[in-house]
Amino acid sequence: KQEVTQIPAALSVPEGENLVLNCSFTDSAIYNLQWFRQDPGKGLTSLLLIQSSQREQTSGRLNASLDKSSGRSTLYIAASQPGDSATYLCAVRYNAGNMLTFGGGTRLMVKP
Amino acid sequence: DTEVTQTPKHLVMGMTNKKSLKCEQHMGHRAMYWYKQKAKKPPELMFVYSYEKLSINESVPSRFSPECPNSSLLNLHLHALQPEDSALYLCASSRTGINYGYTFGSGTRLTVV
Repeated sequence: KQEVTQIPAALSVPEGENLVLNCSFTDSAIYNLQWFRQDPGKGLTSLLLIQSSQREQTSGRLNASLDKSSGRSTLYIAASQPGDSATYLCAVRYNAGNMLTFGGGTRLMVKP
Repeated sequence: DTEVTQTPKHLVMGMTNKKSLKCEQHMGHRAMYWYKQKAKKPPELMFVYSYEKLSINESVPSRFSPECPNSSLLNLHLHALQPEDSALYLCASSRTGINYGYTFGSGTRLTVV
């Protein structure tokens, strides 16, 4: 079964810390992986999209890496801010069926 | 325009009501999706439309009826819902190639009373 797992489920850090969110997937035959941010009760905001041929993508303070052979992706957030508090979801496109498989998310709290 | 617009943002309906959720995008995306999300859970796929044709129905009860009248618009018609159908309903769109990511709307918060 093609699954996506995110650990930890929740994370609380003080402001200013650099942090890493983890995403693992069970099948290395992926097309791409997408990181989303979701604020409570809101929709999903796309942060970064990594194609299967890429190793990393960067946007501002965010850097996402992809290691297909080990079935892992990480989202690195530099110099965290209280405004980064949200749930971060990893989603993998495993096949050409136009379907995403989501991880359970990591709820991040950045304390002032 | 780089957004997916969903209306209404909030909806309260009785179990005997008929209502519709609307989703619109003008990015030229030919794949559109409905997802259901319960509190503290990831989104679950309900339906996929590709080139205005239903391509995937994830065994969703018939009280949910999707419709894609044109390439920019996606509706979800609701009838005889149950309280357990209360959730955040998310619409998304994408280009149809495998290299493209999804764009999600802000969702409709549905409460069934």
